[in-house]
Formats: sequence, structure tokens, C-alpha cells
Amino acid sequence: SQQGEEDPQALSIQEGENATMNCSYKTSINNLQWYRQNSGRGLVHLILIRSNEREKHSGRLRVTLDTSKKSSSLLITASRAADTASYFCATVFGSARQLTFGSGTQLTVLP
Amino acid sequence: DAGVTQSPTHLIKTRGQQVTLRCSPKSGHDTVSWYQQALGQGPQFIFQYYEEEERQRGNFPDRFSGHQFPNYSSELNVNALLLGDSALYLCASSLTGLSSGANVLTFGAGSRLTVL
Repeated sequence: SQQGEEDPQALSIQEGENATMNCSYKTSINNLQWYRQNSGRGLVHLILIRSNEREKHSGRLRVTLDTSKKSSSLLITASRAADTASYFCATVFGSARQLTFGSGTQLTVLP
Repeated sequence: DAGVTQSPTHLIKTRGQQVTLRCSPKSGHDTVSWYQQALGQGPQFIFQYYEEEERQRGNFPDRFSGHQFPNYSSELNVNALLLGDSALYLCASSLTGLSSGANVLTFGAGSRLTVL
């Protein structure tokens, strides 16, 4: 079963618009990460936020974490066609060392 | 600096056969994790190897086994293949240590297995 669930499952926007994806999880976490996957290839790490952090930025990416609601959001500003991909949240919890991935959001950015 | 390399990239097997997938981790990494990703789903954790031993295992049957070699490379073996084993198999490497960033994974491009 998935620890995290992304919402929406699919998102289609125009180039230049902002894209927001949400992730909810079930148990207390050590950290939460976002990954990107292009068309069935390997995943690429985007950003990590620790459980004691509330917001983090990296370039056009902004991640927030609300541990009281067990949720996170990923904002991509000024989206580009090249941002078209699937985005996954992944959590690390307890003594586990593995990442547990959500089901992903498929983002399509139209030129 | 080479990233994670996986082989083969694609393969087709029939039910009941056995398959071996291979992975070379990113230079400097000592931990290898394997994930199974079905079409349209997120990656599911199979197991993780560190110091040539299986350190953690997900909810996969014993038909799935692995190995890590002294040079940190790894193999995933699947016996008695079922149709449901068709998926993208992803290898990811990381560095185990005291740093809180130790859980950040570097993924390979995957091996796509089709079972007929």
C-alpha cells in the first residue's frame, strides 16, 4: 500500500502558469521528498523537506509541509513544457530506511 | 561521474522463467534499493542492500531475491515469473551514513520486464 497519496492524479496547465500538487501521508515522518519522472524513465530527486521545516525553496520549486495535517504541497512557478512529467512524493518514517512513494501526479504543460 | 546504470533496459520472458537484473550504483554510494513500478503507479519498495546484506524488505514474495557484491553493484533475481511481474524495475543508490540526507536516492533508468 502507498504511504503517500498525491492530488490531483492529473493536471494540465498552460505554459507560464503555476502548478500545485498535493501529497497526504498517514504516519509521522522523518522527512518528505519530491521526485520527478519523465515518461517511464528513472526518477530524479527534486527537493527534501525535514519534519521540523515548514517551507523550502529550490529555483522555481516551493515545497511546504504541514505535519499537523500530514500533508505537503509542491508548487512549480512559471511552468515550462519541459516540466511535463509525473511527480511523486516520498516519505521516510520511523526506523525505516526506505522511501515509500505515493501514486503520483501527471503534470502536462501545454505550450 | 557515472550515475546509476541498469541492464538490460528491456527484456521479454515467459511465465515460469527466471530473470536477473543488474545495477551499478553511483560512484561513492554504498547502498542499493530496488523498486517495482507498475504502469501508472508509484514505485513499490522491494528490498535494500547494504554491506552485502539485505537490510530491509518490502511486501514481496520470496521469488524476489537479490545480492550485493563487494564493489556495491547489485542483482535482482525473480523466479517463477508471473504475468503480474511485468513492470519497470528501478534500482536506486544512496550513501548510508549519519547525514540526514542519506535517504536521498539516485535512480537508474530502469529495466522494463514484460512477462508473456
